[in-house]
Amino acid sequence: GAGVSQSPSNKVTEKGKDVELRCDPISGHTALYWYRQSLGQGLEFLIYFQGNSAPDKSGLPSDRFSAERTGGSVSTLTIQRTQQEDSAVYLCASSLETGNYEQYFGPGTRLTVT
Amino acid sequence: GNSVTQMEGPVTLSEEAFLTINCTYTATGYPSLFWYVQYPGEGLQLLLKATKADDKGSNKGFEATYRKETTSFHLEKGSVQVSDSAVYFCALVTGTASKLTFGTGTRLQVTL
Repeated sequence: GAGVSQSPSNKVTEKGKDVELRCDPISGHTALYWYRQSLGQGLEFLIYFQGNSAPDKSGLPSDRFSAERTGGSVSTLTIQRTQQEDSAVYLCASSLETGNYEQYFGPGTRLTVT
Repeated sequence: GNSVTQMEGPVTLSEEAFLTINCTYTATGYPSLFWYVQYPGEGLQLLLKATKADDKGSNKGFEATYRKETTSFHLEKGSVQVSDSAVYFCALVTGTASKLTFGTGTRLQVTL
């Protein structure tokens, strides 16, 4: 079946603009995660959603970052007033449930803030 | 908090050489341990995992044993191939949160 998909694959934006990154998880997966991969910070957890529970936002680096998950499926990560330090690859993953279940990763969105 | 430390890369080996990539961790609670691999131009894929002490995860000739006494999960392969060239990430989760904590990654380059 289809894996995790993300769009766009690449995004170049000017400093100060808002961006939206989209993630389509594997059908039936109740847990969805966002991570960020950057040269300076490695792979960092940002936020995760599990079913209808309140999301765990503990990894979001600032209040410019937000995410939502509609209908328990598609998720959008929004970065407002982008800064150059936001440049990174944003990875989405989904898993059947939380716990020891494998997280399947999407190909990522490469964000470049100029 | 949780953290993962893995050896600095890049690691350059000749084909058929023995591979070890060291990984140690600190964790609150009792973690599950993972190795993920990222091939050039591709996304992260789970390579193997172990969920309790002394468990051995294995896949594609790679192995790692969960050593609670040394808080380690070293990745090994007896004979690497050029196709194993990739970046390898050690990671852990604790509790029900399932947030992966990753090491910095180790780039492996295998040459003929």
